[in-house]
This record gives sequence, structure tokens and C-alpha cells, in this order.
Amino acid sequence: DMQMTQSPSSLSASVGDRVAITCQASQDISKYLNWYQQKPGKAPKLLIYDASNLETGVPSRFSGSGSGTDFTFTISSLQPEDIATYYCQQYDNLPLSFGGGTKVEIK
Amino acid sequence: QVQLQESGPGLVKPSETLSLTCTVSGGSIRTDDYYWTWIRQTPGEGLEWIGYRLYSGTTYYNPSLESRVTISVDTSKNQFSLKLTSVTAADTAVYYCVRDRGSNPRWFDPWGQGTLVTVSS
Repeated sequence: DMQMTQSPSSLSASVGDRVAITCQASQDISKYLNWYQQKPGKAPKLLIYDASNLETGVPSRFSGSGSGTDFTFTISSLQPEDIATYYCQQYDNLPLSFGGGTKVEIK
Repeated sequence: QVQLQESGPGLVKPSETLSLTCTVSGGSIRTDDYYWTWIRQTPGEGLEWIGYRLYSGTTYYNPSLESRVTISVDTSKNQFSLKLTSVTAADTAVYYCVRDRGSNPRWFDPWGQGTLVTVSS
């Protein structure tokens, strides 16, 4: 099975900071990676698909990059409403799988 | 706008069968354009993809659960269901029903709100 390794598992940053999360796949998955945001008590929400495409309605401070095995999710200027856990998810191979998540907090 | 809503018991005894239903509103389940999917979330294991079923009958289950899982579709009620047999405490989780876009680019959207199922005697 495909293993998705996210890091860090948690981070604390100040409002306005640039935040980066990495996701590493155990095999080449081309660009077949999504990023989701999950707020407490809510279901995950799609932010980025195909590694770098912003879902409609998602603020432009969110972005994604990468291909193959290494991917990065970036928040260019952290806002209070961005407090959440972020997950990567691959769809190159079955079974579909998620990273372990990165919890983002405000310092 | 398609919406999904899970329903079912919140408490299941060990060794029994967990049964959940997802009601789809705002769109028809009678299509192979989408894969009707179940995902669960536990504090320890994070998000785990359980499997999907197409309207036409094709299914794919996570090999880690395959021997215990069945996903079915009821077109008359526009619902799909999950059955997980021989449950243990490790199956305690929030269960989400989700629509998988199916074809690349592929993603999970929308999600149901999630339902907590606790396995305990």
C-alpha cells in the first residue's frame, strides 16, 4: 500500500507567517495528490487537487506544489481562521490513502 | 447541490455488525460518474479509506478491512450503506460517507457530517 508521510505533525505560527507542510509518498504518484482542511468537529474540506490546483472558492493564500514523491502545501499568510488540521491524500493507487495530518495552531 | 447524511446506531457491541446508511439528496445515486465511498477517522489511525461502490455494482474495499466490509446501494431510497462485521474496539471511529469524483482529477466531495460509532459492551 502507498504510504503518505506528512511533516510536521503539528506547528505553531504567528498570524501573517508563511506556513509550509510537506507530504512524501512511498512511491511515485505523479501529480495525483489532494490537500484537505479539517476544522474541529467538521468533515474535511477539499482545498487543492492535482497537487497544485486551487478548488473554487478557496482563498489564494493557499497553494500546493510538487510531483512524483514530494509535495508541499503552503499558506502564504496565516490567518486565525486557518487553524485546522491539514491532510494530504493520494489517488494514484488503490487503496486510496491519507497522510497523518498536520495540526496548525496560532502562536 | 448534493448533500450526504449518515445515520445509524452510535453504539455497537463487540463481535456484532456495524450498519450505517448514507442518504444522498440533491442528486441521483444512479450514476457511475461517482463512487459512493465510506471513510473513517480515529484518533490513533487518522483518516482511513474503507472502500467504494459504483451504481453498476463494482466495489473496491481496503484490503485491511475487505473480509468484513460490504457497501451496498439502494436506488429506490437514493441511499448507500456500510456493513462491517465482527467489530472490535479498534473499529470505534467517526464514519463519513463521501462522494468520490471517480475520474481524474479525482477528489472526495462532498462529505457527510460524520457519525461517531463506539464499539463497547
